[in-house]
Amino acid sequence: QVQLVESGGGLVKPGGSLRLSCAASGFTFSDYYMSWIRQAPGKGLEWVSYISSSGSTIYYADSVKGRFTISRDNAKNSLYLQMNSLRAEDTAVYYCARGGRTTTDYWGQGTLVTVSS
Amino acid sequence: QSALTQPASVSGSPGQSIAISCTGTSSDVGGYNYVSWYQQHPGKAPKLMIYDVSKRPSGVSNRFSGSKSGNTASLTISGLQAEDEADYYCSSYTSSSTYVFGTGTKVTVL
Repeated sequence: QVQLVESGGGLVKPGGSLRLSCAASGFTFSDYYMSWIRQAPGKGLEWVSYISSSGSTIYYADSVKGRFTISRDNAKNSLYLQMNSLRAEDTAVYYCARGGRTTTDYWGQGTLVTVSS
Repeated sequence: QSALTQPASVSGSPGQSIAISCTGTSSDVGGYNYVSWYQQHPGKAPKLMIYDVSKRPSGVSNRFSGSKSGNTASLTISGLQAEDEADYYCSSYTSSSTYVFGTGTKVTVL
């Protein structure tokens, strides 16, 4: 069965950096677009970024463009999100999801990122 | 990219049907047949309920259906059950090749 397990969340100071990882299993990872989506505490869902199956196509939300970098390692069945220049408003649960552009069909359980001094 | 507009809350009695609207623009909902709907229970990850406007993933109850007219998409839940009480979000592909979610709707089963 499809499994997505996020890791790397935690407490970081404003201006700091964090790298999230998502380990995928149960499907052919290299065949699928992948996405990161976040949800601030008590708020709605916000799309962050998606990457094509080969990694050649990448898009970001305006709110993270220039600060976040999505990447993938198809040999390791892993998706990453490098987050730099973090702000308080980046505090959220970050979900890894299979798919992108048109829909996302499986989501991980999420990892919490808290940006606070 | 602005969030798609959904009603904050919708309620209904068990067995009734309810509909949740999702209003966007011609640059997202109205321009593509790539509207999805997600169900999220408290503390859980979202679950895909509808994709491509009206398609149901395997395992999703046929009590859930989707449609679209112009710039507004809708999710209908028929035969409302207690387990349907959750938050629901729509999403759409956009003309900027990005992805946008709706503001979310809390469904309450009375």
